[in-house]
Amino acid sequence: TQLLEQSPQFLSIQEGENLTVYCNSSSVFSSLQWYRQEPGEGPVLLVTVVTGGEVKKLKRLTFQFGDARKDSSLHITAAQPGDTGLYLCAGLDSSYKLIFGSGTRLLVRP
Amino acid sequence: ETGVTQTPRHLVMGMTNKKSLKCEQHLGHNAMYWYKQSAKKPLELMFVYSLEERVENNSVPSRFSPECPNSSHLFLHLHTLQPEDSALYLCASSQDRALRRYFGPGTRLTVL
Repeated sequence: TQLLEQSPQFLSIQEGENLTVYCNSSSVFSSLQWYRQEPGEGPVLLVTVVTGGEVKKLKRLTFQFGDARKDSSLHITAAQPGDTGLYLCAGLDSSYKLIFGSGTRLLVRP
Repeated sequence: ETGVTQTPRHLVMGMTNKKSLKCEQHLGHNAMYWYKQSAKKPLELMFVYSLEERVENNSVPSRFSPECPNSSHLFLHLHTLQPEDSALYLCASSQDRALRRYFGPGTRLTVL
């Protein structure tokens, strides 16, 4: 069974702080997607990383795909209350199944 | 607005009731999905339809019955559910199964 472990599960930080969320697996994925989900809504895609070692930036968010395509990280610089939400990583396997991680719930306090 | 709508948004039902969840996508996508999101588990894929044909059924109990009458609509028929089936049920679509999912807002289901 393919599993994606996310850490930490919960994170409560002050506005302006930096944070990193990790997504780890023993399986290799063809691509890795990051989603954010806000209360009362479905997950919304933030980014897709495809190549091992790839780094993508989305304003204050930096996403990295591990060299072996088994892990990924999301780093947020100077977090803002609007960043609050559930962050989900999801790996696409060779049979086009999207395996979701357990999620990281982030609260950014003003 | 992601282009995927779900109704109802909230549903409370007894264990002997029969109800249906509806999903509609306005994106012209070829694949549609049902996911279950519980408090303590990762998003679980339940069913996948590609070009109106069911291509995946992840050992879901028969009390959940999907229907895909056309490429824009997806239903999940529910009957004799259990309290542990209470969860957020998310519908999603994608242009291709290898591409990103577009999720609807979900139906919050409570089984009494």
